[in-house]
Parts: sequence; C-alpha cells; structure tokens
Amino acid sequence: SDELTQPPSVSVSPGQTARLTCSGDPLPKHYAYWYQQKPGQAPVLVIYKDSERPPGIPERFSGSSSGTTVTLTISGVQAEDEADYYCQSADPSGTSWMFGGGTQLTVL
Amino acid sequence: QVQLVESGGGVVQPGRSLRLSCAASRFTFSRYMMHWVRQAPGKGLEWVAVISYDGLNKYNADSVEGRFTISRDNSKNTLYLQMSSLRPDDTAVYFCARGGEYNTPDGFHVWGQGTEVTVSS
Repeated sequence: SDELTQPPSVSVSPGQTARLTCSGDPLPKHYAYWYQQKPGQAPVLVIYKDSERPPGIPERFSGSSSGTTVTLTISGVQAEDEADYYCQSADPSGTSWMFGGGTQLTVL
Repeated sequence: QVQLVESGGGVVQPGRSLRLSCAASRFTFSRYMMHWVRQAPGKGLEWVAVISYDGLNKYNADSVEGRFTISRDNSKNTLYLQMSSLRPDDTAVYFCARGGEYNTPDGFHVWGQGTEVTVSS
C-alpha cells in the first residue's frame, strides 16, 4: 500500500514535547517530508529528507525515521505551533507522491 | 523573495473545463520540477500532478488521470493545470508547489497561496 497513516489529533501543553508519527510502506524507500498548515494558509515545509530543517524553521522542530515510521518532534511547544501537520513521501522514482491524512496539533 | 501565484480558479459546472495558471518569480523556474496539490474543503492535502523541469515527463494521481493535464512554459515562468470533465469532488483549493531541482525528487519548499475551484451546477 502507498498510504501514509497519521493520528488525527495530538494535544500537548505549552513547553512540553509533541511527537507526531507517520507510518507507511513508502517510508523506507523514499524520504519523508513534513508540512505545517495553519487555517487559511498554504502549507509550509518544516522538515525535508527525514530530518533536515529548512532555513527559518525553529530548532525545536526535528525529524527522525525508523523503518516504516517517521516522527516529527516539536520540543518546547509554543502556542504558535498549533496547526495541522502533514507527512509526505513518494515512490522511489518520485513520480507518485502521497500525503498522510494530517494530524491536528492542539496546544492546551 | 521566491514566489508562486496561482490564478484561474472559479465556479464551473460539472463536465466543463478550466485552466489554472501558476506564475513563478525570483527563482530559475526551468531548473525545478513543479507540482499541483489540492485540498477539498475541510479535508487534507492531495497530490495531483508533477511535471519535470523540462516538461518532458508528467505524472498524475489516479483520481485525475485522463482528465487533468499538467504543462509548463519555461519561457514564461508559468505552470498550468488543464482540468476537463470536472466533477463536484474536484472542488478544492489548488496549490502549485516547487519540487526538486532537475531530476532530484525533494519536498515542496515553495508554495503558492492557492486558487479556489468550485464545481457545481
């Protein structure tokens, strides 16, 4: 299957660590990417190639990979991190891409 | 700064066609794969199509195969999505996004603001 599975929601208190998971068969064969999307806005890439952070993304965002599961970790969560987070991957040739269903992160 | 601006969205009847455009600026458009991604109201992101940097290779999601065609004009720094036989379930915000450089798959580092397509009679 080329599907990516994410938990629909995660809740954390400010200052705590949020761990968002994404699992699926494509993940060992191709990198994972993570996007943050706030209401009414376009997605923003926060992690690429499993664990790389684009310029301008805070250091509290990190990514890791293990087999068919990848994890986005947000350390010291802030209120501004409340958003939907989507994982993404592709087939090995990059000709077919897929997104997970998204996780809504709530900061209590 | 690097920018993508979509246009062409609107309200269209089922079965009709529509062409979306995505104008790129402040980067070398001809070096990058380009993608279309859509998001139905209240739903998640769905990848739609990708085109290679030179326009020679194109791939679609199964949900739009045979109905949507991605293309590009590197002389105009513009990406297109020709949509035909539109259905109500094609209703979504359509985003263009910049992919990897040349033939290297990569995440979507740059996104447009989206253009809204509503398919309704």
